[in-house]
Amino acid sequence: QQQVRQSPQSLTVWEGETAILNCSYEDSTFDYFPWYWQFPRESPALLIAIRPVSNKKEDGRFTIFFNKREKKLSLHITDSQPGDSATYFCAASPGNYKYVFGAGTRLKVIA
Amino acid sequence: AQTIHQWPVAEIKAVGSPLSLGCTIKGKSSPNLYWYWQATGGTLQQLFYSITVGQVESVVQLNLSASRPKDDQFILSTEKLLLSHSGFYLCGGGGQNTLYFGAGTRLSVL
Repeated sequence: QQQVRQSPQSLTVWEGETAILNCSYEDSTFDYFPWYWQFPRESPALLIAIRPVSNKKEDGRFTIFFNKREKKLSLHITDSQPGDSATYFCAASPGNYKYVFGAGTRLKVIA
Repeated sequence: AQTIHQWPVAEIKAVGSPLSLGCTIKGKSSPNLYWYWQATGGTLQQLFYSITVGQVESVVQLNLSASRPKDDQFILSTEKLLLSHSGFYLCGGGGQNTLYFGAGTRLSVL
């Protein structure tokens, strides 16, 4: 069964620190990895995404590092802000209109 | 930019009653459309997807059905609600390798 695993389940960092959220997968056919963030009582919003042809994708303070050999990726949030406090979901798709989501990491940034 | 409108925003329904949730996408021609379900505090579970009018593929049924009557519309329904149907229903849309969500519908089954 296709699975996407995320760790840690929850993470607390101080404002200004770098938060690192991890994701791993099993299925080698996955070829698209989007990250979503979800604030309480809202729907998930696409944050940043990567395809295995790249090992890094950067968008402002958000960077995905991708290790295809180990089937792992991580989302780094530099200079974390209280407004970044949300649940982050790693997802994966093999390109057949199916998206598998991880269980999420709940991030709390303390001012 | 595409926009996804879902209706209703929230529903409180009785066990055994019927349900119909809707979704309309604008700003994207021939979009791929999706239904997802999220339990409170849980992950997102894909229910259905559709790549063209009249065709819907089931991923996990959960005693629900879906239809795509128009290019920009996706409907989720059931004739008999269960307690386990409670949760947050998300309509998604996009093209190849893009998935955006609407604001969602919160369903409470009592």
